[in-house]
Amino acid sequence: DAGITQSPRHKVTETGTPVTLRCHQTENHRYMYWYRQDPGHGLRLIHYSYGVKDTDKGEVSDGYSVSRSKTEDFLLTLESATSSQTSVYFCAIRSGGGAQETQYFGPGTRLLVL
Amino acid sequence: GDSVTQMEGPVTLSEEAFLTINCTYTATGYPSLFWYVQYPGEGLQLLLKATKADDKGSNKGFEATYRKETTSFHLEKGSVQVSDSAVYFCALSENSGYALNFGKGTSLLVTP
Repeated sequence: DAGITQSPRHKVTETGTPVTLRCHQTENHRYMYWYRQDPGHGLRLIHYSYGVKDTDKGEVSDGYSVSRSKTEDFLLTLESATSSQTSVYFCAIRSGGGAQETQYFGPGTRLLVL
Repeated sequence: GDSVTQMEGPVTLSEEAFLTINCTYTATGYPSLFWYVQYPGEGLQLLLKATKADDKGSNKGFEATYRKETTSFHLEKGSVQVSDSAVYFCALSENSGYALNFGKGTSLLVTP
């Protein structure tokens, strides 16, 4: 357990509404990541952060934005949700460095866009 | 770019059978390799890792050896249990701090 929580754990929303998912960590890790998990695709990176206010895009960033104003919180926002964004969203942190570097995952948020 | 290819599932085995899940990768450098496991309704848990050629990662009876010559990191277990039923993901990380590049996952069902 790397002290990662995600909220909400489940959400149902309608197309066109904004949605914000929160990832919270308690161990002061510098790197944080947002992935989405879809059948047949494994996990794909949406955005990541390498420090407060330092973020970058991943493989599937279109339609998503992120913010990190504090070390412990990394927010993922869907400005206008679409049905294609129905997915399970996982936050992760990077722990350790060099050969000890490992990513640990939160419990996930299941999002349904109707 | 980097990629990971896993054998298609689902894999169905009887309890105490031998398990192999194949994983091969494409990378430009010398990545670290990982196996993660996802139990039903849960997040991903790190199962094992290897960071250089010929390293063997092991945990909970599972093993995988980093084979640079065949660009493979196959997951094995000598005797599976019903509690091993889960989805297994192979992943690589090319550089420090970079995101993981995942395979599509292999579903394993172990029957009594």
